[in-house]
Amino acid sequence: DSGVTQTPKHLITATGQRVTLRCSPRSGDLSVYWYQQSLDQGLQFLIHYYNGEERAKGNILERFSAQQFPDLHSELNLSSLELGDSALYFCASSVALTDIQYFGAGTRLSVL
Amino acid sequence: EDQVTQSPEALRLQEGESSSLNCSYTVSGLRGLFWYRQDPGKGPEFLFTLYSAGEEKEKERLKATLTKKESFLHITAPKPEDSATYLCAVRPRDDKIIFGKGTRLHILP
Repeated sequence: DSGVTQTPKHLITATGQRVTLRCSPRSGDLSVYWYQQSLDQGLQFLIHYYNGEERAKGNILERFSAQQFPDLHSELNLSSLELGDSALYFCASSVALTDIQYFGAGTRLSVL
Repeated sequence: EDQVTQSPEALRLQEGESSSLNCSYTVSGLRGLFWYRQDPGKGPEFLFTLYSAGEEKEKERLKATLTKKESFLHITAPKPEDSATYLCAVRPRDDKIIFGKGTRLHILP
């Protein structure tokens, strides 16, 4: 167990809908990262937050947004969902800016 | 453009047969190279971090090395439980972490 908690584990929804994925980092970790993993693209970096502030943004679609709250948990919001958004979404946390990342078990999103 | 290429895509070895996985990278201002192991249906699990050319790290049957252009993950006398996908990632100056597509390793008993 990495200590990073992601909910829900599975999510099934329809095209056009909006969902929220939640991540609780390890106790004491200030950094939260979001990744998307699909079979053909591999693990793709979406966004990094450090202590509530956005630090780096990868190829995250405009339909996607994220935030990190004062208690350091983070949420990834996906809207106007398309079939191609079906993937595993991972959250990772680290103590500081460049430390080892610990990954959660992921949320499997299926868009039908 | 920053990128990471891992080879081979897949590798089947007999138990005890040593080999190496390759991670070639092009990155502006390397701030760290990472190796992770991922089992099916699970999140990646950290193995090693390397920061500068010439650096080496070892853990049990695994040894990671780094040059200015590539990293190798050497696996010595592997066991079936070493079967997994091994991912390489780099952290460039802009902090936009890039993962390779991984090497699927299968160790036959």
